[in-house]
Amino acid sequence: SQQGEEDPQALSIQEGENATMNCSYKTSINNLQWYRQNSGRGLVHLILIRSNEREKHSGRLRVTLDTSKKSSSLLITASRAADTASYFCATDGPGGGADGLTFGKGTHLIIQP
Amino acid sequence: DSGVTQTPKHLITATGQRVTLRCSPRSGDLSVYWYQQSLDQGLQFLIQYYNGEERAKGNILERFSAQQFPDLHSELNLSSLELGDSALYFCASSPRDAANSPLHFGNGTRLTVT
Repeated sequence: SQQGEEDPQALSIQEGENATMNCSYKTSINNLQWYRQNSGRGLVHLILIRSNEREKHSGRLRVTLDTSKKSSSLLITASRAADTASYFCATDGPGGGADGLTFGKGTHLIIQP
Repeated sequence: DSGVTQTPKHLITATGQRVTLRCSPRSGDLSVYWYQQSLDQGLQFLIQYYNGEERAKGNILERFSAQQFPDLHSELNLSSLELGDSALYFCASSPRDAANSPLHFGNGTRLTVT
C-alpha cells in the first residue's frame, strides 16, 4: 500500500528559526494531511490540503503540495519550544481512503531554547 | 481534548492472554479507526468501522478483531498475545466514511506484553 515518507527523520533547530519537513508518497491521492504528536499522546490534526491545491496556510504553518513530484512540505515559522513533537504526513488514495489514512514514520522535531 | 476517549490507558499482560481495548468516539462521529503504533513499524492502520459496519481492513492480524456497537463505541480485541504485540493502540474518529476529513485521535492504550 502507499505510504508517506517524511524527511528528515529528525530535526533540531533553535527557537525562532523556521522548520521544514518533507513528505513523499507513492500513488495518486485525493488529499494529504499533516498531524503532530507529542510524546506518548494522540495525534493532532494540523492541516489538510486537497490534490487540487498547491499551498495552504494556518497560523505559523504553511503546507505545499506538488502532485507531479508526489511530495509535500510543512513549514513551521518562528518555531517555539512547544513545537517540539513528531510530525506525520498522511495520505488517502484514489478510492477516497478506503484503506484508511496511511501515515509515514514521522519527523521528530526538537526546538532548542 | 479531542473528544475521543480510550480505556484503559495502560495494559500489562502476559503472552497468550486476551485483552479488550475500548474507544468512545467524538460526539456525532460515525467512523471509528484503529491504529497500532510501534517503534519499528510506525503507525499501522488496522480497521475502520462506520455506523456499526466494517468499512476497511488494513494490516490487522487474524488474532485481532473489532466491532462497533449501536451507541458507536468500539472495542478492539487482541488474543493469543505475543511479545511483538506490545505497542500503542490508537482509536480515531471522524464524522464521515471517507478519509477527506481530519481524524480525531484518542490518547491511546499502551499495551505491554511480557
